[in-house]
Amino acid sequence: QITLKESGPTLVKPTQTLTLTCTFSGFSLSTSGVGVGWIRQPPGKALEWLALIYWNDDKRYSPSLGSRLTITKDTSKDQVVLTMTNMDPADTATYYCAHLYSTSSTPIFDYWGQGTLVTVSS
Amino acid sequence: QSVLTQPPSASGTPGQRVTISCSGSNTNIGSNTVHWYQQLPGTAPKLVIHSNNQRPSGVPDRFSGSKSGTSASLAISGLQSEDEANYYCAAWDDRLDVYYVFGTGTKVTVL
Repeated sequence: QITLKESGPTLVKPTQTLTLTCTFSGFSLSTSGVGVGWIRQPPGKALEWLALIYWNDDKRYSPSLGSRLTITKDTSKDQVVLTMTNMDPADTATYYCAHLYSTSSTPIFDYWGQGTLVTVSS
Repeated sequence: QSVLTQPPSASGTPGQRVTISCSGSNTNIGSNTVHWYQQLPGTAPKLVIHSNNQRPSGVPDRFSGSKSGTSASLAISGLQSEDEANYYCAAWDDRLDVYYVFGTGTKVTVL
């Protein structure tokens, strides 16, 4: 079965760079149509899509976060890494990674990790 | 701020039917499929409807979805206490400055 798990620091200081790793099993990022996305959720607020990467290394980023985001994949390790620069207290949120497939015009996030809470504070 | 608008709350008694709306535009719902996610308190979101009206395996048939023009709806028939959760719609947006969008979310309360 497909599982995903997020890992990374729980606390970062303002202006620092956040690096989160999504380690998955049950699928390969070499399979056509498959990808991994990152989504976050500030406490008590709605979901916000951040980035996604496809099997063919095609990448998309949330324009509102501009050049702060970088997503990469390591197919041999079954991992996807998200980095976010210049962290701010407003970036405090639970960060989720999710498996996606693209048989529909809107990518479908069908399996999600448990999420990891990242707090930005000095 | 999301470009997909949902009512903040909806409620019903056990057994009732509850409908949640998701309003968008020509560049998102009007052009692309809509998915719905259920988020129980303290847990990760779960896909309950994809591609406008398709139920993933294991999702009860009391959940149904529809789309018309630039709006979509999620209906829960025969409401049960375990359906109390937040629900989010989602769609791809063809505008280059948006891409993937989630709705504002609707809290469903079972009275």
